[in-house]
Amino acid sequence: NAGVTQTPKFRVLKTGQSMTLLCAQDMNHEYMYWYRQDPGMGLRLIHYSVGEGTTAKGEVPDGYNVSTLKKQNFLLGLESAAPSQTSVYFCASSYSNRDVYKWVETQYFGPGTRLLVL
Amino acid sequence: AQSVTQPDIHITVSEGASLELRCNYSYGATPYLFWYVQSPGQGLQLLLKYFSGDTLVQGIKGFEAEFKRSQSSFNLRKPSVHWSDAAEYFCAVAQKTSYDKVIFGPGTSLSVIP
Repeated sequence: NAGVTQTPKFRVLKTGQSMTLLCAQDMNHEYMYWYRQDPGMGLRLIHYSVGEGTTAKGEVPDGYNVSTLKKQNFLLGLESAAPSQTSVYFCASSYSNRDVYKWVETQYFGPGTRLLVL
Repeated sequence: AQSVTQPDIHITVSEGASLELRCNYSYGATPYLFWYVQSPGQGLQLLLKYFSGDTLVQGIKGFEAEFKRSQSSFNLRKPSVHWSDAAEYFCAVAQKTSYDKVIFGPGTSLSVIP
C-alpha cells in the first residue's frame, strides 16, 4: 500500500512548455484532488475528480487541465507553463464513511511536486 | 464572499500545555469545516472535518475542534501538546453543495518549547 504518489518530485520548465503531473493512489478512494501551495499561503484547490471520468474545477483552474485514468490516477496538465504557475503541487485522495452515528472523512496527501517555471 | 481567517500567525506553547488555535469564517450557510496540519516530516494531513450535527469533532493525534455557529468559529484544541505537534495548521471551509469552493486560511505556525 503506497498511499498517494506523485510524479515527478521536482521539475524546471521554461515559459510556454507543457508538462503533466501524475498522481496515483492505491486505496480505491473515490475523490482525488490537485492543490497548489505558494509560499506563506494555504492550499488552493485547482481541480478534483469523483470516480473515473468526472472532474470539476476548484478555486484556481485557469491554465490547467485534468484527466483521470481509471479511478486511481489523476493527471494535471499545464499546456503552456507561465511563471505564475511556479508552486508546490499536492495531490490528495479521500473517502468518507459513517462511524456509528457520524460521518468521518479521511484524506491522504502525496509528498508534493515542486515546479519552477522560468 | 466566503473567507477564512486565522488571527494568530504564530503561537508558541510549552510541551504539555494546552493548545487552542483560532479559526473564524465568513459564509452564508453552515459549511463543511476542516483543520489540516503540515510539517516537514509528516507532510500534509487532514486532522478533522465537521460535517453536521455534533458541534464537537474528534480528530487524529488527539485533536478536537468545536463549531460555534453564533461566533462563526471552528477552533482547534489539544489538551496536552507534544513537541512533534510543532507544524503549520490550516483551517478550511467548503460549501456543502459543491466542494469546488473550498477556501483555506493563511495558517498558524505552532512552535513547541521543550
